[in-house]
Amino acid sequence: DGGITQSPKYLFRKEGQNVTLSCEQNLNHDAMYWYRQDPGQGLRLIYYSQIVNDFQKGDIAEGYSVSREKKESFPLTVTSAQKNPTAFYLCASSIDLVQGARAFFGQGTRLTVV
Amino acid sequence: AQSVTQLDSHVSVSEGTPVLLRCNYSSSYSPSLFWYVQHPNKGLQLLLKYTSAATLVKGINGFEAEFKKSETSFHLTKPSAHMSDAAEYFCVVSGRMDSSYKLIFGSGTRLLVRP
Repeated sequence: DGGITQSPKYLFRKEGQNVTLSCEQNLNHDAMYWYRQDPGQGLRLIYYSQIVNDFQKGDIAEGYSVSREKKESFPLTVTSAQKNPTAFYLCASSIDLVQGARAFFGQGTRLTVV
Repeated sequence: AQSVTQLDSHVSVSEGTPVLLRCNYSSSYSPSLFWYVQHPNKGLQLLLKYTSAATLVKGINGFEAEFKKSETSFHLTKPSAHMSDAAEYFCVVSGRMDSSYKLIFGSGTRLLVRP
């Protein structure tokens, strides 16, 4: 089955720790994205990548980092610099970054700071 | 700049009655518009998309949306609500960012379906 896999589904982090969220896709898509979702808000773009070894900051990149060493993988690290990391994180991919390209979403990772 | 406004944060309907979820957009370009649905603690699923073809777009699960340029609207409708339609719905516009495009999400409308 083609799709996007995010892991883990639930993640708990102690304050001051870095954590990495995994996102893998087997759709052969060039573009990948990370979004953050908070209650009552739409999705906000953290980082996006148009192609392997290239990525760009989105609207709320502070406190986050990414890498794109393989086409299939786009992991997101939530660093200790992110002051309010508790949220639902969604990874997505699309064929490319042209207008009209639909995005396919993973099932999300819920991160909670304890 | 592109933006999208969902006019209702919550909509409540009875099962079997029509659904209307409202969305207005702002775009400097001829936009691409989408509706996505999200069930609790799940990812988003595409319901339908508009990309300058027919102004009435039919999607999955009986949903449809009409693109009205004069009103800058892209409202989502369904003739008869089902209990399984209870979810959060996002209106999305494809907006220009540098040399490429990004998806700009509305704040969402939570649809409640009463038995």
